[in-house]
Amino acid sequence: GAGVSQSPSNKVTEKGKDVELRCDPISGHTALYWYRQRLGQGLEFLIYFQGNSAPDKSGLPSDRFSAERTGESVSTLTIQRTQQEDSAVYLCASSLRGTIQETQYFGPGTRLLVL
Amino acid sequence: AQTVTQSQPEMSVQEAETVTLSCTYDTSESDYYLFWYKQPPSRQMILVIRQEAYKQQNATENRFSVNFQKAAKSFSLKISDSQLGDAAMYFCAYRSAFRDDKIIFGKGTRLHILP
Repeated sequence: GAGVSQSPSNKVTEKGKDVELRCDPISGHTALYWYRQRLGQGLEFLIYFQGNSAPDKSGLPSDRFSAERTGESVSTLTIQRTQQEDSAVYLCASSLRGTIQETQYFGPGTRLLVL
Repeated sequence: AQTVTQSQPEMSVQEAETVTLSCTYDTSESDYYLFWYKQPPSRQMILVIRQEAYKQQNATENRFSVNFQKAAKSFSLKISDSQLGDAAMYFCAYRSAFRDDKIIFGKGTRLHILP
């Protein structure tokens, strides 16, 4: 596609429910990143996928958070038993091969509100 | 651990004037990349400019330029001839040259353009 897309753009859920956020990276990009942006804050790294390598999950804040990626395409970020503190914008980014020199291209994010 | 600090939560500038956004960072690494990202209300993170630490010359992209002071660990962004479309959150960010995963972001500076 032309850019990174994310769905839904907005999600309102009740505390305790599970949510799934989707990211479609730029076609051909092997590297994919998830970030969380709390209100008024910068971006926090969550997880990184590169090709078929084991993902870097070092940024996931708790075991309620998990992410999957199908080959080198779509990724889903799942938050189980959501808490109000999970309310944030979740941003996805992709880059061609994940090398250090490359630019990460960001999607528009999913705004999650947990009531 | 690396940190990025933006000490100006908000700034305002008159249209057509010049404004400088400050950023300092802390790292023990010798090689890295520094970025300025723009985030308009659409939430899309857009790369404005990138600087490679081993390059002495300050990066420039049209009306955007940086003042990179490696010894002082300072990386400010100068916007010349400010335009209404420049109004956004601006994030300073750091990425290690030795790890191919996360970018570390500052908390951002909200820039207002006054007509």
